[in-house]
Amino acid sequence: GDSVTQMEGPVTLSEEAFLTINCTYTATGYPSLFWYVQYPGEGLQLLLKATKADDKGSNKGFEATYRKETTSFHLEKGSVQVSDSAVYFCALSDYNTNAGKSTFGDGTTLTVKP
Amino acid sequence: DTAVSQTPKYLVTQMGNDKSIKCEQNLGHDTMYWYKQDSKKFLKIMFSYNNKELIINETVPNRFSPKSPDKAHLNLHINSLELGDSAVYFCASSQRNLGYRVNTEAFFGQGTRLTVV
Repeated sequence: GDSVTQMEGPVTLSEEAFLTINCTYTATGYPSLFWYVQYPGEGLQLLLKATKADDKGSNKGFEATYRKETTSFHLEKGSVQVSDSAVYFCALSDYNTNAGKSTFGDGTTLTVKP
Repeated sequence: DTAVSQTPKYLVTQMGNDKSIKCEQNLGHDTMYWYKQDSKKFLKIMFSYNNKELIINETVPNRFSPKSPDKAHLNLHINSLELGDSAVYFCASSQRNLGYRVNTEAFFGQGTRLTVV
């Protein structure tokens, strides 16, 4: 079945540091890929997405590129801020399988220190 | 306007009680979900309804029973609550059938923190 593996956390960075959170996936079809962010005490919200190979999703300075050859969707940001501290989830959704449900990675907790 | 709203936000109850969590979405989506998030932040899908029809029922104790009176609502009833049921429960929705095969993102509610004592 479909699965998502993302970098284990927690990750602690200083403000303005470069961020990479690795994500790889396994899927039988042609999934769409997503990054969600969960701030403390809140629900998940979509950060960015890509629906086909070589697409780049971007939002709030974060970027991720859909790499079919390496089955990856790594999240990057050039300069993190304290306000980026949150839990980040990589996910996929395949229309043709699993009734369109999203399959999530285990989440990576990011803490950014001033 | 809140897109996906669930109530209550916090629920503290004793073992053995029965409780319900309600969820409503005003996005016009055709698919709704219940997820459970444990203390390590792991997310696990429990149920999914598409146009009021149950389409995903993961390995969940039958003490958990979802009910979808219409496309905009998906409630979760839990019987005989146990300590291990303590978690945050998230409702979500998405639009599955767009007339073309694109996978849309899910929209989540704020969560219900259930504590069983």
